[in-house]
Amino acid sequence: QVQLQESGPGLVKPSQTLSLTCTVSGGSISSGSYYWSWIRQPAGKGLEWIGRIYTSGSTNYNPSLKSRVTISVDTSKNQFSLKLSSVTAADTAVYYCARRDPGGGGLDPWGQGTLVTVSS
Amino acid sequence: EIVLTQSPGTLSLSPGERATLSCRASQSVSSSYLAWYQQKPGQAPRLLIYGASSRATGIPDRFSGSGSGTDFTLTISRLEPEDFAVYYCQQYGSSTFGGGTKVEIK
Repeated sequence: QVQLQESGPGLVKPSQTLSLTCTVSGGSISSGSYYWSWIRQPAGKGLEWIGRIYTSGSTNYNPSLKSRVTISVDTSKNQFSLKLSSVTAADTAVYYCARRDPGGGGLDPWGQGTLVTVSS
Repeated sequence: EIVLTQSPGTLSLSPGERATLSCRASQSVSSSYLAWYQQKPGQAPRLLIYGASSRATGIPDRFSGSGSGTDFTLTISRLEPEDFAVYYCQQYGSSTFGGGTKVEIK
């Protein structure tokens, strides 16, 4: 079955760009029609949807983050990526990637998550 | 933007009891686009229910979802020890999440 795994630096300095990659295994990222999503969760808090990229390459972002977020896909590597610019301590969180079937399903599966800390 | 409000914030129950969790939307939501997730400490969320009432693969039938419009409910018929966790609803049209309900052991 499809599995997702996040990777990237665990520590990012304020004002810099956070960059994470989600590697998809057990299936091709370009087969079928799916939304590939990023979600984050600050410690002890709830879930916040960041954005998604469709198999076709079209994107949707959380309006509150839209000016700082870019999600892209690299089909040759079976990966999709998140870039979040001008980070502050408020961006410290566990970042998850997940897949959604636009036919009506929820987010499934999810990656295990990766903690990103913004600190100098 | 649709806001999802979950209640109660915390539910204290004993194993074997019935849990009823509420998710209320600030405006009408398509039932096709309402999901519930379970999250245990240190783990990623797990999809339980999609389309308001359809159980995801491998989810026990003690979990059920219902509702329409602005009011949705997740019911756990008889709590098992592994069910004590935080539960989130999500409207995946705009992809917003509710704030979560923690189900704790009484």
